[in-house]
Amino acid sequence: AQSVSQHNHHVILSEAASLELGCNYSYGGTVNLFWYVQYPGQHLQLLLKYFSGDPLVKGIKGFEAEFIKSKFSFNLRKPSVQWSDTAEYFCAVRKTGTASKLTFGTGTRLQVTL
Amino acid sequence: GAVVSQHPSWVICKSGTSVKIECRSLDFQATTMFWYRQFPKQSLMLMATSNEGSKATYEQGVEKDKFLINHASLTLSTLTVTSAHPEDSSFYICSARDAGSDTEAFFGQGTRLTVV
Repeated sequence: AQSVSQHNHHVILSEAASLELGCNYSYGGTVNLFWYVQYPGQHLQLLLKYFSGDPLVKGIKGFEAEFIKSKFSFNLRKPSVQWSDTAEYFCAVRKTGTASKLTFGTGTRLQVTL
Repeated sequence: GAVVSQHPSWVICKSGTSVKIECRSLDFQATTMFWYRQFPKQSLMLMATSNEGSKATYEQGVEKDKFLINHASLTLSTLTVTSAHPEDSSFYICSARDAGSDTEAFFGQGTRLTVV
């Protein structure tokens, strides 16, 4: 069974600091990778996704992630965070295929201070 | 992106009663919908995969007789929590994928269930 690990459970950064959130998965086959964000009191929103092609994926709000197949990793990055980025971030993986389910990591709570 | 709507957004019910939560894909057809449960400050745990016109597939440890799932049409799946108890209080989230399309899943806004 596939699993997803997010090593940072709670991250506190000052505005303008750079961000990198780790995500590793365990599955040997072809996968689709996702990062979702959940702002306080809101539903999950897709930040970015990787299906194939360029392993460096750019998403919304200045976020990007790099798929490193050899490391089974899909780390999320942002060069300069803003206070409005305070949220919960979830990495998710699924095997390729139209009916396969998403497996979520435990989430990383990002708190950005002014 | 596509829209998935959940109803209700929150519900309070008495212990022993049943609660139905609806998940609708508003602008696409979804042969597959997923139901998740999220405890406070924790990740989403998949409860079951709902397939239109067939029985749902439940994850290990999820009681199928307690969490009844019906996916009667390509735009609607329902989750009924039967004989609810306080420990069933949680945030329930559905997601749906466009039929025949290998895209990301879209999530509903979630339903906060409180059993008193």
